[in-house]
Amino acid sequence: DTEVTQTPKHLVMGMTNKKSLKCEQHMGHRAMYWYKQKAKKPPELMFVYSYEKLSINESVPSRFSPECPNSSLLNLHLHALQPEDSALYLCASSQLGLAADEQFFGPGTRLTVL
Amino acid sequence: KNEVEQSPQNLTAQEGEFITINCSYSVGISALHWLQQHPGGGIVSLFMLSSGKKKHGRLIATINIQEKHSSLHITASHPRDSAVYICAAKQAPGGSEKLVFGKGTKLTVNP
Repeated sequence: DTEVTQTPKHLVMGMTNKKSLKCEQHMGHRAMYWYKQKAKKPPELMFVYSYEKLSINESVPSRFSPECPNSSLLNLHLHALQPEDSALYLCASSQLGLAADEQFFGPGTRLTVL
Repeated sequence: KNEVEQSPQNLTAQEGEFITINCSYSVGISALHWLQQHPGGGIVSLFMLSSGKKKHGRLIATINIQEKHSSLHITASHPRDSAVYICAAKQAPGGSEKLVFGKGTKLTVNP
């Protein structure tokens, strides 16, 4: 299995809702990433988990809360989002999080905040 | 100035043409990725390279570490190659897991 899967594919939520994005990989990778991508822009790193511990938080607002329950699973919990948070949210994984590791990306979740 | 610069920003080609997309970077790197993204879609990793040249089907990626430059070539281009191509650098020494992304090159191949 060489895939990173993400669910749901699309999500529409109101500003008062609580929802979660899910990412899964079964490649034995020990680093997992959340990116946010706005239209016609490159991805922006949000969080990195290495060996299930949060290693990078790129000053992301607390309305985004990541969670890594085990080495295969990464969640992003969403609460009280703003319309400007509407974007494509991409998950990625890499083997050991070392300098020359290749990152494998998932298909993304298209989030719309009303 | 972005640490990773791509050119051109937009590229239109006719089916069958040979295509080159360029990427220059100003930081020390341990590896450089070439990524492909179709409209509204997720990202596919095409290549990761730290030296020399790699080939996969009609795609060829080269990197010149001394000149801090990489190129992605597509031979015999096809409309299904239409996508945004992004180069992303992993910084070194002392680099973390972060990738520094270029702004992407939007390729349109017309039949």
